[in-house]
Amino acid sequence: DQQVKQNSPSLSVQEGRISILNCDYTNSMFDYFLWYKKYPAEGPTFLISISSIKDKNEDGRFTVFLNKSAKHLSLHIVPSQPGDSAVYFCAASESRGSTLGRLYFGRGTQLTVWP
Amino acid sequence: ETGVTQSPTHLIKTRGQQVTLRCSSQSGHNTVSWYQQALGQGPQFIFQYYREEENGRGNFPPRFSGLQFPNYSSELNVNALELDDSALYLCASSFRGLAGDDEQFFGPGTRLTVL
Repeated sequence: DQQVKQNSPSLSVQEGRISILNCDYTNSMFDYFLWYKKYPAEGPTFLISISSIKDKNEDGRFTVFLNKSAKHLSLHIVPSQPGDSAVYFCAASESRGSTLGRLYFGRGTQLTVWP
Repeated sequence: ETGVTQSPTHLIKTRGQQVTLRCSSQSGHNTVSWYQQALGQGPQFIFQYYREEENGRGNFPPRFSGLQFPNYSSELNVNALELDDSALYLCASSFRGLAGDDEQFFGPGTRLTVL
């Protein structure tokens, strides 16, 4: 049972424009959400996170939005750059404040940024 | 600061064999998690180790076992290999403190092929 879903396997965006990657979850106990970026032959790299007490977190070109009522989060990349081309994984945890740090991952979205 | 390292990079085994994968945690981290990423899927949680004890386990059979050593490095052992065990195995380390777990940092993974 996939508790974290990324329904778009791929996204293609022109350089300089906004990339929006979406993620849905089903488990209402999730209280911490993360985005990871993965290049081929490398492990996932932590990008940005958000706690369920917030609805937005920003870090440079990357902003994550959380809509708890809809169980939906999104990652915005503005402006998109060719180096952003990678697979992006959405992940969730049900216990940021305790000691059970298991992450549930979506299947990933391949972002391609073209010049 | 040394990141998470894994060995070997690639491995080919045959059905029924046993395999041991190794992981060295990032400096300062005391918790190790193992994930299996099958082709086209997101990483799936196998188990987590903290203070040399298993601290949470995903939906994997007992033939998947692990160890954590006093220096926080870790091993993943898989017995009686099956074709479906072919995947990228990712190790992630994190720091567990009084406030819970910090973000997990991933190694580059070990690509296991079972023939």
